Amino acid sequence: EAEVAQSPRYKITEKSQAVAFWCDPISGHATLYWYRQILGQGPELLVQFQDESVVDDSQLPKDRFSAERLKGVDSTLKIQPAELGDSAMYLCASSLDGREQYFGPGTRLTVT
Amino acid sequence: GDSVTQMEGPVTLSEEAFLTINCTYTATGYPSLFWYVQYPGEGLQLLLKATKADDKGSNKGFEATYRKETTSFHLEKGSVQVSDSAVYFCALTFQGAQKLVFGQGTRLTINP
Repeated sequence: EAEVAQSPRYKITEKSQAVAFWCDPISGHATLYWYRQILGQGPELLVQFQDESVVDDSQLPKDRFSAERLKGVDSTLKIQPAELGDSAMYLCASSLDGREQYFGPGTRLTVT
Repeated sequence: GDSVTQMEGPVTLSEEAFLTINCTYTATGYPSLFWYVQYPGEGLQLLLKATKADDKGSNKGFEATYRKETTSFHLEKGSVQVSDSAVYFCALTFQGAQKLVFGQGTRLTINP
């Protein structure tokens, strides 16, 4: 069964450092989402791609976060510089037709 | 804006007990409704869904009915097992590959 891949699974970084997460969606899925899940809360959308284009980045803190999906396949989410409040689970999801989203295992970020 | 409210957790039950996790939503229009489950250290898995009023989603013994009149989508299971211990998220989305809006999650623990 096809799955969404994410790496790394865990990342510990010091504040003010740069960090990057990678996501490989299910093959053929045109829509890709990055969500942030703070401990004890539900996920919230950071950015949504349709192919290589950003559809929604209204909740992305653009002063420190960036996301790209250059060839419309895999995607990278970057934080620079990281802050203590960025500690969270970063989830990637993909969708073929917008009806269902399939989630990867997530990257657990700890900023010290 | 659109939102989802779940019953406060954590919920602790004994094996074979009846489970209800309440979920209500506020939305402009007619969303699709979902229940996702998250096991420790993992991403979210789709448990069940309903796309229109009076639809019943079901999977693995869990059920939820889309009630437009009460704007609710309560999750039920007749006899829970220890393996059902997880965090459960209610969510909504609209047609057209739009983002999922999640509730805060309900942690469920089943004791043998």
